[in-house]
Amino acid sequence: EIVLTQSPGTLSLSPGERATLSCRASQSVSSSYLAWYQQKPGQAPRLLIYGASSRATGIPDRFSGSGSGTDFTLTISRLEPEDFAVYYCQQYGSSPRFITFGPGTKVDIK
Amino acid sequence: QLQLQESGPGLVKPSETLSLTCTVSGGSISSSSYYWGWIRQPPGKGLEWIGSIYYSGSTYYNPSLKSRVTISVDTSKNQFSLKLSSVTAADTAVYYCARLNGYRYYMDVWGKGTTVTVSS
Repeated sequence: EIVLTQSPGTLSLSPGERATLSCRASQSVSSSYLAWYQQKPGQAPRLLIYGASSRATGIPDRFSGSGSGTDFTLTISRLEPEDFAVYYCQQYGSSPRFITFGPGTKVDIK
Repeated sequence: QLQLQESGPGLVKPSETLSLTCTVSGGSISSSSYYWGWIRQPPGKGLEWIGSIYYSGSTYYNPSLKSRVTISVDTSKNQFSLKLSSVTAADTAVYYCARLNGYRYYMDVWGKGTTVTVSS
């Protein structure tokens, strides 16, 4: 079973700043199977990034994903007020078939 | 556009079986490109994948829940369902259903979630 670790747990930033969120896997993950989600209080998660670096439909280009192997990054180039939320990474493993989420990184207003 | 809606009891007694249904509208559950899944989130905590199903009925489950989980599909009703047996307070959570891309296994459409409380 692949375990995902996200850091930092909380990121306190101001609007306009750059956010860099890390997702580390306990063993190598195929980039094809790494996704990122945003969740705001009281709402369902929203897909941001799939395949480690492809933006989902309607996601602004200030969101970008990168990485490979065991280290992946979500970057928000300039934080907008609506970006303050919790962000989760998620991976799929094919043998055995298993989906795991990271514990999340909360981006809050400094 | 595609929408998913969870339904079921909001309160379940300990040791009983939690049963939820996800109704898919605006698209067919029988699409060969997608799986369908259940995810839960205990209060104040992160997301936990429960299991997924293909329209043919093929399933895969979280090993930590596998002994208690059954996910089924009813293509005639465009629905899939979750049963979780022998529930305890630890199963109290918001339960989400979602569509999974069948090639990359990410969840691109989510229901709004339904809160299930386990209490006597």
